[in-house]
Order: sequence, then C-alpha cells, then structure tokens
Amino acid sequence: GAVVSQHPSWVICKSGTSVKIECRSLDFQATTMFWYRQFPKQSLMLMATSNEGSKATYEQGVEKDKFLINHASLTLSTLTVTSAHPEDSSFYICSASKQDSRSGNTIYFGEGSWLTVV
Amino acid sequence: AQTVTQSQPEMSVQEAETVTLSCTYDTSENNYYLFWYKQPPSRQMILVIRQEAYKQQNATENRFSVNFQKAAKSFSLKISDSQLGDTAMYFCAFMKPLFANAGKSTFGDGTTLTVKP
Repeated sequence: GAVVSQHPSWVICKSGTSVKIECRSLDFQATTMFWYRQFPKQSLMLMATSNEGSKATYEQGVEKDKFLINHASLTLSTLTVTSAHPEDSSFYICSASKQDSRSGNTIYFGEGSWLTVV
Repeated sequence: AQTVTQSQPEMSVQEAETVTLSCTYDTSENNYYLFWYKQPPSRQMILVIRQEAYKQQNATENRFSVNFQKAAKSFSLKISDSQLGDTAMYFCAFMKPLFANAGKSTFGDGTTLTVKP
C-alpha cells in the first residue's frame, strides 16, 4: 500500500526557535497534502492544505506566518513552526491522497510528529 | 459544509464479542468516500475500511464491516471477534473526491474503544 512518512517523530525545541517537520509520500506523487494538529483525546484539526507549487490554504484561525508550509515537490511538504512557544506543543500529523485506478481515492497518514516546546 | 458525528465517545466490549460504532454525516454531495480509521496509543492513523458512496454493497475487511445507509447518511462500523489489539480510538471520516481538494476530509470526534480480556 501507499506510504506517507513523517520526520521527525519527536522533537523538543526551545521557546522562540523554529522547527521543521517533513511529510513525504514515498511511493506516489501527492499534489495535495494536509496538515493536522491533534490534542490529546481529541479529533484531528485541519490546519492547512499544502498545494505543490503554490501557496498553502490555511483554515480559519490558523496563523500562516507562524505555521509555514512549503510544498516544493510532488513528494514533499514541510511544516515549519516559527518562534515556537509552549502552547504550540502538540501532535502534528500529515496526510496525502492517493488516487488508485481501481479503488479511487484513499487518504494515507504519516506517523505523526510530537512537538514539545520548552 | 460536511459534518461527521460520532455519538459514542467511549465504548467497551469483551474480547471475542462484536461491537458496532456509529457514525452519521451530513452532506449535499452525491458522490463521496467514507472511511474508518483506527488510532492506537502510538497515534499512527491506520485505515480500517473505506466505502465509496456510489457502491451499494457494504465494504468488508476481515473482521471489520460497515453498514452504509446512504439515504440515512449513516456509516457504522462493526468489529467481529474483538481482539485486545483493537483497543484504540476510531475516527469516521468523510471525503469529497474533488480534483481541486482531493483528500480534504472531515473527521468525527472519535470513539475510544476498549476491548476487555
């Protein structure tokens, strides 16, 4: 099946610094990827849609200057949390849709990244 | 806009028994996809089963099956012969297969399932 890989799995950074999380589609091309944030025991909150070769589309309430998204190739999207603060500590997860000629569209998720800002 | 509702925040079942998780959704679309995802403590989102709205036949994957009622906008998940490894949070998801935003999904709030030995 399709694989989406996310890196790093865990990251600790100091308050005020920036941290980058990568999301890769390993065996298919993804023109669109999605970034979610998930708080404990809650559902996935869509942050933004990452579009290859163009600007990301952010959901209402998500600061685009704080959560920078770059989708420079058909297999890689990055999320950079700039000037991180402890309240940015969370689980971040990406997804990509693969279109299969037989089964249609299926969403695949990365493994997720735990961010802790100290 | 689409909404997905999972009315059971928590459920439990005895090992080897059957449990059904409910999901309802609201949409004006006629063609779409529905998914059930499992999220164990590792937090990895694992695809359990998918259903295409234009298919009347209910999807099945080994011990997992769905009861898809399009008119009622209901998409429940049945887990047969429950195993301890099925303990996880389960999310129901709706996706429109649009080219412009293929993959953009709406998730329910999740149901935490505990399988008891």
